[in-house]
Amino acid sequence: DQQVKQNSPSLSVQEGRISILNCDYTNSMFDYFLWYKKYPAEGPTFLISISSIKDKNEDGRFTVFLNKSAKHLSLHIVPSQPGDSAVYFCAASGGYGKLTFGQGTILTVHP
Amino acid sequence: NAGVTQTPKFRVLKTGQSMTLLCAQDMNHEYMYWYRQDPGMGLRLIHYSVGEGTTAKGEVPDGYNVSRLKKQNFLLGLESAAPSQTSVYFCASARTGQGRSYEQYFGPGTRLTVT
Repeated sequence: DQQVKQNSPSLSVQEGRISILNCDYTNSMFDYFLWYKKYPAEGPTFLISISSIKDKNEDGRFTVFLNKSAKHLSLHIVPSQPGDSAVYFCAASGGYGKLTFGQGTILTVHP
Repeated sequence: NAGVTQTPKFRVLKTGQSMTLLCAQDMNHEYMYWYRQDPGMGLRLIHYSVGEGTTAKGEVPDGYNVSRLKKQNFLLGLESAAPSQTSVYFCASARTGQGRSYEQYFGPGTRLTVT
């Protein structure tokens, strides 16, 4: 039972354009959502998060949107840069900081 | 400030052998976690600890044991390794389990192959 799903295994974007990564969840008890970025042979690094009481959070080029009624969140990267090429994981927390991760989306930003 | 470190980085085991993976953090974090990452499945929680001397099961705990004797260390043990435990193992720590502190800091990973 996959409680957090990223249905797009990969996304290819031109440099300077917008990247939109999507994530769906099924558990209504999740109260905090996070996005992590992962480069090969490294551990995931925290990117941005959002509480379930908000619907948007911005941090520089990164914005996360949360639609609770649809149980959907998305990460927007504007403008995309080649250095953003990585695997992006969405994660949801329901207590004790335990995170449930999606399968990941490979983002490739072409120069 | 090294953050979260993991030892070893790579290991090859034969079926039935045992080993211990060590995770250390120098951020004085209360919470620590062990995950495994398999192709197409994201990261799955194996065990976690909410403080020194405490441990609890995560989503996929079978075949693993953990110990948190010191606040800064979290050990993951495989008593009798199986090929299904071939994976990349990540350790993470967090200040607490509340609010902004959901942010977990990850180590670089241990790549384990069981033949």
